[in-house]
Parts: sequence; structure tokens; C-alpha cells
Amino acid sequence: EDKVVQSPLSLVVHEGDTVTLNCSYEVTNFRSLLWYKQEKKAPTFLFMLTSSGIEKKSGRLSSILDKKELSSILNITATQTGDSAIYLCASGVYGQNFVFGPGTRLSVLP
Amino acid sequence: EAGVAQSPRYKIIEKRQSVAFWCNPISGHATLYWYQQILGQGPKLLIQFQNNGVVDDSQLPKDRFSAERLKGVDSTLKIQPAKLEDSAVYLCASSSPWGLAGDNEQFFGPGTRLTVL
Repeated sequence: EDKVVQSPLSLVVHEGDTVTLNCSYEVTNFRSLLWYKQEKKAPTFLFMLTSSGIEKKSGRLSSILDKKELSSILNITATQTGDSAIYLCASGVYGQNFVFGPGTRLSVLP
Repeated sequence: EAGVAQSPRYKIIEKRQSVAFWCNPISGHATLYWYQQILGQGPKLLIQFQNNGVVDDSQLPKDRFSAERLKGVDSTLKIQPAKLEDSAVYLCASSSPWGLAGDNEQFFGPGTRLTVL
């Protein structure tokens, strides 16, 4: 059965801290690894990763995929209270199916 | 570009009642997904359509849940009869076919929050 695991499940930090969120996957026919940010509403897309070792960056957020280790990390530097959200990792498989992890709940305190 | 539309945004029903949700995907997106997200968990795929055909409905509780996408555009998800454990946010998402944009990014609608009493 396809599975995506995230750690930690919950994290509390202070503004200015740097955080690293982890995602590991066990899926057949792996196609891509996606990161989403979910606040009160629907998930919003952050990154899609298909190639190992190539970092994607957007402002203070960055992510990288390690296909050998079947994992990905999402880094957030200089965290702000607005970064408080649930961060979802999903694995895309051929056939356009997506398997989501449980999410990491990040709380950034002022 | 208009996003994925869903309605209603909120619904409260009693157990054993029926409920239906509607989704209008992004124009041109052939693939449509319905997810169930229970509080504290990641989204769980219920059903995936490619145009008007079902690609994957292996996790859809078919004794009470049904979904259709008759014309390959809009979709409805129905629960009949509802149970307490169906309380969740139901998310609709769409994506374009492989290769057109290079990546198979999913776009989510705002979701319908269902409360079953």
C-alpha cells in the first residue's frame, strides 16, 4: 500500500527560527513529490519535485528531493507568524494519483 | 484564471440524512479528484476522474458514497445515508494532463465542511 509519512507531526518555534520538515514516501510508480501549505482553507501549492538533488526555492522556503532515500525536506528560514500552518507532503504517482501524508502542524510564536 | 469552485462551503445534517456536494474544476483540466480530510489528518483520495471516467475509486465507501462527472466537467459527490464519522472537509481538486504544463500540479477548491450530528 502506498504510504507517505511526515515528521514531526507538530512543531512549535519562535519567530526567526529555522525549521526543517521531513517527508518520506513508499509508493509504486513514483512520479513527483509535492509540498502544500494549508491554513484554514484548502491546501495551496508550494513546490513540486521530480529530480533528486535539485533545490527549489521560493523566498524563505526551499525544498529538495532525495530519491535514493525516498525522502524530501522543506526548509523555512527566518520563520514568521504567518508561516503557521499545516504543511502537507504528497507523492504523485503515474496515473495522476496523489497520496498525502498526515501533515506537520507548524506554530510560529511571536 | 478562475480556480476550482465548490459548494456549499458548509453543511450541517443529521445522521442518516443525505447530502450532495458540487465541484467545478479549472477550465480545461481533465482530471478531477474528491478528497476527504478528517480533522488532524491529511487528505484521503475518495475518487479520481479522467474526463467522465473513473480512474480510481478504491477508497470510496460505495455503500453510501457515490460520485459522478457526467459531462466530464462538473462533478457531484453524494453521501446517502450520512454517518457521524463522515464529518470532515470534502476537497475537490483538478489537474491538467501530464505534459501540458510539465508538472502535474493539483489545484484545490475551498472545500465543503460537513458536520453530521
